Amino acid sequence: DAGVTQSPTHLIKTRGQQVTLRCSPKSGHDTVSWYQQALGQGPQFIFQYYEEEERQRGNFPDRFSGHQFPNYSSELNVNALLLGDSALYLCASSFRTGRGRETQYFGPGTRLLVL
Amino acid sequence: AQKVTQAQTEISVVEKEDVTLDCVYETRDTTYYLFWYKQPPSGELVFLIRRNSFDEQNEISGRYSWNFQKSTSSFNFTITASQVVDSAVYFCALSPPGTGFQKLVFGTGTRLLVSP
Repeated sequence: DAGVTQSPTHLIKTRGQQVTLRCSPKSGHDTVSWYQQALGQGPQFIFQYYEEEERQRGNFPDRFSGHQFPNYSSELNVNALLLGDSALYLCASSFRTGRGRETQYFGPGTRLLVL
Repeated sequence: AQKVTQAQTEISVVEKEDVTLDCVYETRDTTYYLFWYKQPPSGELVFLIRRNSFDEQNEISGRYSWNFQKSTSSFNFTITASQVVDSAVYFCALSPPGTGFQKLVFGTGTRLLVSP
C-alpha cells in the first residue's frame, strides 16, 4: 500500500519564476492538504482540496494556487516566486468518513530553493 | 486564534534515558484535537497520536506515553528508555473544530538528539 508520494523531491528556481509541485495521496484517500515548512519552523497550512475544489485556505497570498484531479492527486502552483518561498512543501492526505475525516498522513515533501 | 508552543528547541540525551517533550496550546474552542508528529531527517511527518479534547485519559504505546492536562493546556510526550532511532524533530499540533482534523496548527518543533 503506497503512502503519499510527491514529486519532484528537490527543485531550484529563480525569483519571478513559477513552479508546480505534485502529490499523489495514499490509496483510498480523497482529501489533500498542502503545507509549507520553512527551515527550523513547523509546517503552515496552505490549503485543502476535496472533490476537486479548494475547501479551506490558510493565510497565503493568491500566488499560491492548487488543483485536484478526478483521481484525487493534486498540484500546488506558486507564481512570481520570492526568496521567502524557499521551503519544504508537504502534502498530506486523508479520507472522509461518515463522521468527518480521518487523520492526515504526510508525504516526504518537495524541497524548493528560490535563488 | 490557535497557537502551539514548544519551548524546548533542542534536547540531547544519552540512550536509555527518559525524555519529556513539552507542548502548550492556546485555543478558545471547547472542542479540538491535539496531535504529535515525528519528523526524521528524511522529512516525512510520521503520525504518532491524536487526542480529542474531551478525552483526558493518558495514553501509553510501547515506550511512548502522552499526558494531556486540559487545566494547564498541555499535551506532553514522554519517551521511555530512549533509543538512537528516536532522534528526530517532534511536532505538537492542534486542529480547530470544523476542519475535520485538517488545517493543523503546528508548534515550532523540538529536536531530540539521542546519542549512544
